[in-house]
Amino acid sequence: AQKITQTQPGMFVQEKEAVTLDCTYDTSDQSYGLFWYKQPSSGEMIFLIYQGSYDEQNATEGRYSLNFQKARKSANLVISASQLGDSAMYFCAMRETSNTGFQKLVFGTGTRLLVSP
Amino acid sequence: DTGVSQDPRHKITKRGQNVTFRCDPISEHNRLYWYRQTLGQGPEFLTYFQNEAQLEKSRLLSDRFSAERPKGSFSTLEIQRTEQGDSAMYLCASSLWDRGPTGELFFGEGSRLTVL
Repeated sequence: AQKITQTQPGMFVQEKEAVTLDCTYDTSDQSYGLFWYKQPSSGEMIFLIYQGSYDEQNATEGRYSLNFQKARKSANLVISASQLGDSAMYFCAMRETSNTGFQKLVFGTGTRLLVSP
Repeated sequence: DTGVSQDPRHKITKRGQNVTFRCDPISEHNRLYWYRQTLGQGPEFLTYFQNEAQLEKSRLLSDRFSAERPKGSFSTLEIQRTEQGDSAMYLCASSLWDRGPTGELFFGEGSRLTVL
């Protein structure tokens, strides 16, 4: 079974600074996908960034970048120039494929990020 | 707004009552998922529809839970004889078959259930 581990229950960062949210994963698959989602207090899960296991370059989307270290099985999210609106829960997820080919996302327990002025 | 919508947003019920949640996915999306999220946890997969067919169900989905997606459009999730352990946020997500390898899910804002 695949597993996602987020060891930081909470993180604090000052506005305009960068912050790294940790994520490690466990899988025996050769092909997999890693995702980061943001969940503000409203409850909606907002897709941030995706990294495929065969992607040679780290994914970037605006202020978000994914530090993908395949050998270490880590996929840390880096948020640059933090903004007050970045305060939210952040979930790392992996796309899991069953023997029947069905795919679903498996999520970690999340990290709560608080950005202070 | 053309995102995923869920109704109701909040539901408080007494133990033993039945509740039903509705999800309207993004109109062209043929894949629909239900997830459950308890406090301090990430979302956990419950069930999956491709068009109107329910193709996957988690072991978390006891026989008190039933989900439908008639005509491959909106979906309902019904919980019969609710228990306090059913208290959670129920999230609906949709995606498009030919989205490509990314396969990102678009989530609604969830339906929060409190069972007293």
